[in-house]
Amino acid sequence: EVQLVESGGVLIQPGGSLRLSCAASGFTFGSYWMHWVRQVPGKGLEWVSRINSDGSPTSYAESVTGRFTISRDNAKNTLYLQMNSLRAEDTAVYYCARSPQGFSGYVDNWGQGTLVTVSS
Amino acid sequence: QMTQSPSSLSASVGDRVTITCRASQSIGGFLNWYQQKPGKAPKLLIHGVSSLQSGVPSRFSGSGSGTDFTLSISSLQPEDFATYYCQQSYSIPLTFGGGTKVQI
Repeated sequence: EVQLVESGGVLIQPGGSLRLSCAASGFTFGSYWMHWVRQVPGKGLEWVSRINSDGSPTSYAESVTGRFTISRDNAKNTLYLQMNSLRAEDTAVYYCARSPQGFSGYVDNWGQGTLVTVSS
Repeated sequence: QMTQSPSSLSASVGDRVTITCRASQSIGGFLNWYQQKPGKAPKLLIHGVSSLQSGVPSRFSGSGSGTDFTLSISSLQPEDFATYYCQQSYSIPLTFGGGTKVQI
């Protein structure tokens, strides 16, 4: 069974930095594109970033380009999102998600999400 | 940009429901649909306009091409009351529609 478990969400002040992690199990992690998708509570979904199976290339939403960095450690079956210069508008539930094998544009498995709150 | 309509609708069990998604430019067949229930992660329903994800009931169907797409539920069941999102996978950034909440 595919499992994606996010962690690292906290209450943090504007301007701060945070790293989210996503522990993957139940599949060959190093063979799949992975994504981060976020959702402001009560609002819609926003794609944040994706990363190729071997770590390159990566892509980002314009709203996070230059501030967020996606990475992965295939030996540890873990996906990361380094978030710098956080803003109030980054407050959201962050989901880790997997694309089907051989695809990169949509996702077929999601984690349960981790809440990041940016506030003073 | 992906625009869904309506943003919400009220329906009864057994009704046929249709949700529309329009892209601001042609996206070919790169259109996917997700269902999300309160407090839960989204779930993939349909990919590539009309391909039903494994395990998804056949009452769900998708159609369309280019810029105009439709998700249909042939006979609404109690477990189908949720919010539905379309998503284009034609180009980066991947983008979602604003969602359609299906209510009783």
